[in-house]
Amino acid sequence: DTGVSQDPRHKITKRGQNVTFRCDPISEHNRLYWYRQTLGQGPEFLTYFQNEAQLEKSRLLSDRFSAERPKGSFSTLEIQRTEQGDSAMYLCASSLDGQPQHFGDGTRLSIL
Amino acid sequence: AQSVSQHNHHVILSEAASLELGCNYSYGGTVNLFWYVQYPGQHLQLLLKYFSGDPLVKGIKGFEAEFIKSKFSFNLRKPSVQWSDTAEYFCGGAGGTSYGKLTFGQGTILTVHP
Repeated sequence: DTGVSQDPRHKITKRGQNVTFRCDPISEHNRLYWYRQTLGQGPEFLTYFQNEAQLEKSRLLSDRFSAERPKGSFSTLEIQRTEQGDSAMYLCASSLDGQPQHFGDGTRLSIL
Repeated sequence: AQSVSQHNHHVILSEAASLELGCNYSYGGTVNLFWYVQYPGQHLQLLLKYFSGDPLVKGIKGFEAEFIKSKFSFNLRKPSVQWSDTAEYFCGGAGGTSYGKLTFGQGTILTVHP
């Protein structure tokens, strides 16, 4: 079971720096989602891809955030000019149409 | 607006006790409902799901949940918990036209004492 893979597991950076996270979904899954989770809360939806098309973005996703899925396989989430409030666990999930989502282990972002 | 709420932040039980975790949802239209579990140090895993049909759904590890439309509820139950059930439990919902994006509750931490 290859599962959803996320890299890195933990990222520590200084405020104002740019960071990029990668997600490799389960290979045959056409849907890919990004969520953000802060302490004591459930995951919050950020954005969704159907194959390579980004079909929905949450209002949580400010213009400092950008996500891509260039070939409909892996995806990247970039945060520019990081702020303290960006500290969170960033989760990636994938699925087939109409099927439950499979989650990765997440990338924990810590802003110094 | 779509929302999911979980009643309890932290539940503490002894082994063999019965479990019920509350979940209420607010959605317009059809909704698919899920329970996910996160064991310490692991990723979210699906426990069970409700799409349609029989409102009583059975999941893995002896868990079940009942969809009660009139109460907008989808409570998780287990007749006898084990120490290994210690984890955080998340209820989630996805609207029928939302491409499957999930709205989660705040989560319930379950601690089971041996």
